Amino acid sequence: GESVGLHLPTLSVQEGDNSIINCAYSNSASDYFIWYKQESGKGPQFIIDIRSNMDKRQGQRVTVLLNKTVKHLSLQIAATQPGDSAVYFCAETASGGSYIPTFGRGTSLIVHP
Amino acid sequence: DGGITQSPKYLFRKEGQNVTLSCEQNLNHDAMYWYRQDPGQGLRLIYYSQIVNDFQKGDIAEGYSVSREKKESFPLTVTSAQKNPTAFYLCATSWGATGELFFGEGSRLTVL
Repeated sequence: GESVGLHLPTLSVQEGDNSIINCAYSNSASDYFIWYKQESGKGPQFIIDIRSNMDKRQGQRVTVLLNKTVKHLSLQIAATQPGDSAVYFCAETASGGSYIPTFGRGTSLIVHP
Repeated sequence: DGGITQSPKYLFRKEGQNVTLSCEQNLNHDAMYWYRQDPGQGLRLIYYSQIVNDFQKGDIAEGYSVSREKKESFPLTVTSAQKNPTAFYLCATSWGATGELFFGEGSRLTVL
């Protein structure tokens, strides 16, 4: 099975709400995590990353939380906008070696105006 | 502009034909990757290359081949041995083996 997975394949929210997308990982050696956003018919784009020496990192309207104890990662989007509608992937990797990033299945975020 | 260029964006192929997807980058990144994406699925690694003239199989390499003769180029050939080639193919690059990936816009292959 996949070492990285998502709890909810589809998330529907109203414009202005906050969104939370979850991700579980199983490789204890993973120490670098990235969230990507993929719009329909396009390649994924980097949103935010976090290293294992942190448990929280904030960007513009986005926050990533890392819980190494339960191997869980989440992406929080504040004041969700229609332009946030996309598929979101988390990826895990490990530094110091040739561990290639592993992607989860993705969560489709649908934002209703 | 710096970036990753995949071509063609759309491609139709008859069964039994080989097809080559192009991926060119001018980011001066060492590592390049090919991923396959099926509807409602995540990204599955086909092949990757961390340095010129070297490449490694990913999770689903059967029926595919690659070359890395130049740092800028990492073409993917989908051979007739690939039983279900219809998919969205994504090329990516990174500075090193485990850094952030930069993706191209993808190539959608349809086998008729």
